[in-house]
Amino acid sequence: DGGITQSPKYLFRKEGQNVTLSCEQNLNHDAMYWYRQDPGQGLRLIYYSQIVNDFQKGDIAEGYSVSREKKESFPLTVTSAQKNPTAFYLCASRTSAGANVLTFGAGSRLTVL
Amino acid sequence: GENVEQHPSTLSVQEGDSAVIKCTYSDSASNYFPWYKQELGKRPQLIIDIRSNVGEKKDQRIAVTLNKTAKHFSLHITETQPEDSAVYFCAATIRAGSYQLTFGKGTKLSVIP
Repeated sequence: DGGITQSPKYLFRKEGQNVTLSCEQNLNHDAMYWYRQDPGQGLRLIYYSQIVNDFQKGDIAEGYSVSREKKESFPLTVTSAQKNPTAFYLCASRTSAGANVLTFGAGSRLTVL
Repeated sequence: GENVEQHPSTLSVQEGDSAVIKCTYSDSASNYFPWYKQELGKRPQLIIDIRSNVGEKKDQRIAVTLNKTAKHFSLHITETQPEDSAVYFCAATIRAGSYQLTFGKGTKLSVIP
């Protein structure tokens, strides 16, 4: 599955609930990323992590949180503070310095009811 | 920060014709420009990329050209086939030496048999 596994594939949430999207990679990549994809909006960066125990905000970090306790895992929590959370979320990873190529997961579609 | 504009947002071509998608970027220090293809319901995948020290790169029916002076780069697909139908995203590094990418909003290409 391309070395990056996202789960769940589909998720429904009630307003006011936090949800966590899982992203696991077995590519031994150092850097991991979370993107949000909305129709006609391209891919917008939420958070990224270049090394374990370190992460940085992207362009649209408000209402989201992440952790990077293990190299292979980079979960994303969509909090109740995110006002428009319904979207398609893509996790990606990149190998060490010298390469820009991103490998994407299959994505998680979150729908707020 | 880097801004990437992509045109057109939708493109329909007859099978066998060529398709061209154009992107402009704002940061003259950007030095890496990939193109990703996302088929319906699937993850984005890198199809071709170009670095700032090269003006053109080809891979079978796909080519990318870069004009650093004008700060634009283009994807060219020749002899289009129905399986080329997808959404295509261009991207650019946010600054020289960075591995972060800013994506365009995407072009939905439809190849009509």
